[in-house]
Amino acid sequence: DVQLEESGGGLVQPGGSLRLSCAVSGFTFSSYWMTWVRQAPGKGLEWVAIMKHDASEEYYVDSVKGRFTISRDNAKNSLYLQMNSLGAEDTAVYYCARNYLHYYYGLDVWGQGTTVSVSS
Amino acid sequence: QSALTQPASVSGSPGQSITISCTRTTSYIGGFDYVSWYQQHPGKAPRLMIYDDTHRPSGVSNRFSGSKSDNAASLTISGLQAEDEADYYCSSFSGYSTLYVFGSGTKVTVL
Repeated sequence: DVQLEESGGGLVQPGGSLRLSCAVSGFTFSSYWMTWVRQAPGKGLEWVAIMKHDASEEYYVDSVKGRFTISRDNAKNSLYLQMNSLGAEDTAVYYCARNYLHYYYGLDVWGQGTTVSVSS
Repeated sequence: QSALTQPASVSGSPGQSITISCTRTTSYIGGFDYVSWYQQHPGKAPRLMIYDDTHRPSGVSNRFSGSKSDNAASLTISGLQAEDEADYYCSSFSGYSTLYVFGSGTKVTVL
């Protein structure tokens, strides 16, 4: 079965840092672009970041540029999101997702999400 | 404000067809390409229903169909069923500063 499993969420104080992980199984991770998407409580989906299959390209939503870093370890079948200088606006469920066929086609496999709460 | 506007809610009776629109806002200067649609039940991860404007991934019912014009896309659900009650989001490839954008989301209610 194709599976994505996020971890690393939790409660963090404003200005703090967290590192999210996404463990992948059931497909050739090194062949796919991968994406992070978040959803604030009661709100819609927001695309956060994307990384090319070989880690040679990465892109971010404007609101996290300079604070968040996406990375991957193809040997460990894992995707990461390093989040620094966190603010209340970053409180959300964070999903990792696989890009379908081409990187612009959509996200066909999603994890169950990990919750990040930023509060003092 | 989302770059892509969707109606907040759409409802229909079982067996009916409904259409959800996704319109590019005038202030959005990114691209509107390769529109995809997602279904999300409460507390669950989203599910890809349509990609590349009109294509269905394997396993998605043919009751779901997508279409797109220059500045608008739509998702039609035919033969509405109780399990179709969920939130639906459009998304497009922007190719601009923010690579992808999601729509504001539509809550579908089956009466």
